[in-house]
Amino acid sequence: DAGVIQSPRHEVTEMGQEVTLRCKPISGHNSLFWYRQTMMRGLELLIYFNNNVPIDDSGMPEDRFSAKMPNASFSTLKIQPSEPRDSAVYFCASSYGISTEAFFGQGTRLTVV
Amino acid sequence: AQSVTQLDSQVPVFEEAPVELRCNYSSSVSVYLFWYVQYPNQGLQLLLKYLSGSTLVKGINGFEAEFNKSQTSFHLRKPSVHISDTAEYFCAVSEINAGNMLTFGGGTRLMVKP
Repeated sequence: DAGVIQSPRHEVTEMGQEVTLRCKPISGHNSLFWYRQTMMRGLELLIYFNNNVPIDDSGMPEDRFSAKMPNASFSTLKIQPSEPRDSAVYFCASSYGISTEAFFGQGTRLTVV
Repeated sequence: AQSVTQLDSQVPVFEEAPVELRCNYSSSVSVYLFWYVQYPNQGLQLLLKYLSGSTLVKGINGFEAEFNKSQTSFHLRKPSVHISDTAEYFCAVSEINAGNMLTFGGGTRLMVKP
């Protein structure tokens, strides 16, 4: 398996623009997570899906952020409108079952100017 | 809610020396414990995990960690480090039977010098 695949790897956008980050989890995994990494706040869980259903979105910063998982092999994280403080590395991770390893993608580095 | 504290933000060490990266956690419920490593511009890779059983856990690349329930600690150790171990190391916890949602510590940058 190719692992968790995220796209794009890098994104530079202007403030106010819509940004969409994409994630393909490992085939067969039933849990998907979006994390954000910044220097100030470290690694934070944004949202957790289980069997394509959002279970916990308490980490989503505000209404400008939304995430979807239309099927077991694809998820998106959208920011609309984007702001400079959204600049961060966004990681997607997937796992199967409970107490198992979460496999991380290589991340998307987002820069909002 | 859980929290994880990594006491050292940076740990410089010479090659072939032993190293210990400290991790303490706080939780009102039982948790699983993890150490992840992040190489520059990469995602996170699992080093080892503690779920139950023996409190000494061995992981990849010669790392091991010991769970101490009374001290709520899960320190990571390696007896002899290599230049290639230079990376950021993250301690994390997840609540038992509540999915694999991870709460991370702030990370420790291990810098191995020749």
